[in-house]
Amino acid sequence: DAKTTQPNSMESNEEEPVHLPCNHSTISGTDYIHWYRQLPSQGPEYVIHGLTSNVNNRMASLAIAEDRKSSTLILHRATLRDAAVYYCILPTISSGSARQLTFGSGTQLTVLP
Amino acid sequence: DGGITQSPKYLFRKEGQNVTLSCEQNLNHDAMYWYRQDPGQGLRLIYYSQIVNDFQKGDIAEGYSVSREKKESFPLTVTSAQKNPTAFYLCASNTGGYGGNQPQHFGDGTRLSIL
Repeated sequence: DAKTTQPNSMESNEEEPVHLPCNHSTISGTDYIHWYRQLPSQGPEYVIHGLTSNVNNRMASLAIAEDRKSSTLILHRATLRDAAVYYCILPTISSGSARQLTFGSGTQLTVLP
Repeated sequence: DGGITQSPKYLFRKEGQNVTLSCEQNLNHDAMYWYRQDPGQGLRLIYYSQIVNDFQKGDIAEGYSVSREKKESFPLTVTSAQKNPTAFYLCASNTGGYGGNQPQHFGDGTRLSIL
């Protein structure tokens, strides 16, 4: 199964853009790249996902490298509510043969006022 | 608003006791999942269900059981056979297939502790 590598922590100033990187050099051709975020004592929240092209939604943008070995989650204007752990995930095959989302340790984003 | 409801938010279990965690969704999703999260760790899959009356073991199913009698409901029972049940339990759902490429929607979790 393909793995992802993210920095343990990042800081950003409020109302500035944030670029959260993720490396996934062993990604397969059919793996989508998913991003979720999690606040303390809450369930993860879906942010965005994509396959090859850059993707945009109301929460963020996802920039995917041409060789797909890395991607960047872009928050265009960070707010204090964006402080969370951000997970970059490639679906993996569980022992029961279903694709599952395996969450690693993620990047803790701190937003400074 | 559609979503996933987990209850209770906090649960305490005595040694040797079975407890059941509730998960209900009104998103009309076919697939539902149970995950366990330990402090500072990622999520691990316990059980999943692609359709009603069918479910499969995930990576850490020992000591747990589930049922899927209704599309909306996927309760998880933590049995006395689970020797280290203290954790944060998360339920999720999505539109199905084999789940890997469809976003999963999560509940707010149940925190289980041993008395």
